[in-house]
Amino acid sequence: EAGVTQSPTHLIKTRGQQATLRCSPISGHTSVYWYQQALGLGLQFLLWYDEGEERNRGNFPPRFSGRQFPNYSSELNVNALELEDSALYLCASSFGASGGYEQYFGPGTRLTVT
Amino acid sequence: AQSVAQPEDQVNVAEGNPLTVKCTYSVSGNPYLFWYVQYPNRGLQFLLKYITGDNLVKGSYGFEAEFNKSQTSFHLKKPSALVSDSALYFCAVRDYLDSNYQLIWGAGTKLIIKP
Repeated sequence: EAGVTQSPTHLIKTRGQQATLRCSPISGHTSVYWYQQALGLGLQFLLWYDEGEERNRGNFPPRFSGRQFPNYSSELNVNALELEDSALYLCASSFGASGGYEQYFGPGTRLTVT
Repeated sequence: AQSVAQPEDQVNVAEGNPLTVKCTYSVSGNPYLFWYVQYPNRGLQFLLKYITGDNLVKGSYGFEAEFNKSQTSFHLKKPSALVSDSALYFCAVRDYLDSNYQLIWGAGTKLIIKP
């Protein structure tokens, strides 16, 4: 069974540009979560999508946005990039939205803003 | 709202010794608890979870965790540490917020196993 995949692995952008990160969940999983992890520290919850709808978002500005497609894959967009957006962005998927199902993580996208 | 705490930023253990990584939680109702591990430059990997049943939960890579309701703890344990266990460990608890379930994450504990 294929795991969660993310692309690209690394992304280098200039301040003010836009970044688009992509995630494909495990087959059969309907929920996709996005997290930001700076400097190998804790996870900061960004967004949660389930069945194509945004279920919840963390304490991040509106320039962080995303969507989930009919095939349950997801895209995270970060507009007007700032230096502090440099981080590892992790995507996770789970079987459902009940919270009782464990989340499975992708390898992450390392975003560097210069 | 639920919360989870990992009181140690770092735990150092000699190879072959038992290890414990601590996690405490605050919930209303029955908790759903999870442990994850993150190896350097990698995503998180699910280790184990407690939802109901036996207080001792066994997981991947020889890890286990003990649910203690009276002490509101869910400590991660392994009888004999390996150097390869060196990683960042996260505890998480399910919360019900804004009409949705979500995971609340601890800050993480860095585990260092010395040869």
